[in-house]
Amino acid sequence: QQQVKQSPQSLIVQKGGISIINCAYENTAFDYFPWYQQFPGKGPALLIAIRPDVSEKKEGRFTISFNKSAKQFSLHIMDSQPGDSATYFCAASSRVAGSARQLTFGSGTQLTVLP
Amino acid sequence: DTAVSQTPKYLVTQMGNDKSIKCEQNLGHDTMYWYKQDSKKFLKIMFSYNNKELIINETVPNRFSPKSPDKAHLNLHINSLELGDSAVYFCASSQRTGDRAFFGQGTRLTVV
Repeated sequence: QQQVKQSPQSLIVQKGGISIINCAYENTAFDYFPWYQQFPGKGPALLIAIRPDVSEKKEGRFTISFNKSAKQFSLHIMDSQPGDSATYFCAASSRVAGSARQLTFGSGTQLTVLP
Repeated sequence: DTAVSQTPKYLVTQMGNDKSIKCEQNLGHDTMYWYKQDSKKFLKIMFSYNNKELIINETVPNRFSPKSPDKAHLNLHINSLELGDSAVYFCASSQRTGDRAFFGQGTRLTVV
């Protein structure tokens, strides 16, 4: 059972365009929603994250939009650059075993930005 | 200084062998994880340790055994390797109550 559904699986955009990746979750116990960026041969690295008490968070060219009632969130990359080409994972975090937390990842989106 | 380091980066071995992957973090975190990334890049948690105590143990064959000698190290030992074990294995760490996980560079395991 996939608790965090991510789409699209792959995305190609032109340089300067907007990249949009969508995620949906089912478990209402999730209370933290990060996005990770992974380059080939590297481990995932945190890009930006949001908590469900806000509807939007922006850091530079990256924005998360969050819709708590629909249980959906999305990543927008403005003015996409070739250097943004990577795999993007949405994730959701919940509390497990006392105060410990667990991340559940979406299936990933391979973003290619054409020069 | 590498925050989360794994060794080896590449591991090629024959079916039936036993192998270990080592992980060390110098971030002072008290929680460490092992994730498996399959050929479709899907990331799935395998284990989580907090202060050397196992707190998450997902449905993983018991051929996989994590070992944490101290809170800065979490090693993964795999017995009787199978072709389906081929994947990239990532070690990660975080504070117990923190949400941000820091990942190592991964170990690409190929079983032939």
